[in-house]
Amino acid sequence: RKEVEQDPGPFNVPEGATVAFNCTYSNSASQSFFWYRQDCRKEPKLLMSVYSSGNEDGRFTAQLNRASQYISLLIRDSKLSDSATYLCAVTRMEYGNKLVFGAGTILRVKS
Amino acid sequence: ETGVTQSPTHLIKTRGQQVTLRCSSQSGHNTVSWYQQALGQGPQFIFQYYREEENGRGNFPPRFSGLQFPNYSSELNVNALELDDSALYLCASSEGSSGANVLTFGAGSRLTVL
Repeated sequence: RKEVEQDPGPFNVPEGATVAFNCTYSNSASQSFFWYRQDCRKEPKLLMSVYSSGNEDGRFTAQLNRASQYISLLIRDSKLSDSATYLCAVTRMEYGNKLVFGAGTILRVKS
Repeated sequence: ETGVTQSPTHLIKTRGQQVTLRCSSQSGHNTVSWYQQALGQGPQFIFQYYREEENGRGNFPPRFSGLQFPNYSSELNVNALELDDSALYLCASSEGSSGANVLTFGAGSRLTVL
């Protein structure tokens, strides 16, 4: 079982739709959680950190469920420009608390 | 403020050769992490350098090695290249070595091994 698992998708949604991604992690000692966005053939860029209380940034909402060991990302009112791969990342203690990434979820927003 | 820069952007090598990839960290960042991203996969942690010392290593063989210089720039060296080493190699810098620190990635070096 991979340490961080994501549904690879692709999620094909129309503009204006709401879409949600989940990411599960296996190491209960993980302490920090992030969502990164990666455009085709580009580097990952931080979208948002994920906090236990949940956090929102505009159309994006991230949630953390420590008991069930998953994090989620909700995108409201999807835009064409949201089309990308969304990577979740968690810290791994065995790596000295370094980030471990999931394989990513592909989102395609269509007009 | 300059971001993370990597060189070369693309390169082609043959099996058994050696390669050196270079990374300049973002201004103010003292920590550099290297990741390997194969096609269709997420970035896989190779190792991290903090203040010129290796500070954590992922599940990569010893033929993957690195350096960090006093100006916090870094090199990734891969010896005895294998076909499976073909990937995008990403360098990321951060202000500290904690996993809670946000990583800023460079655009990557795309390595093809023939």
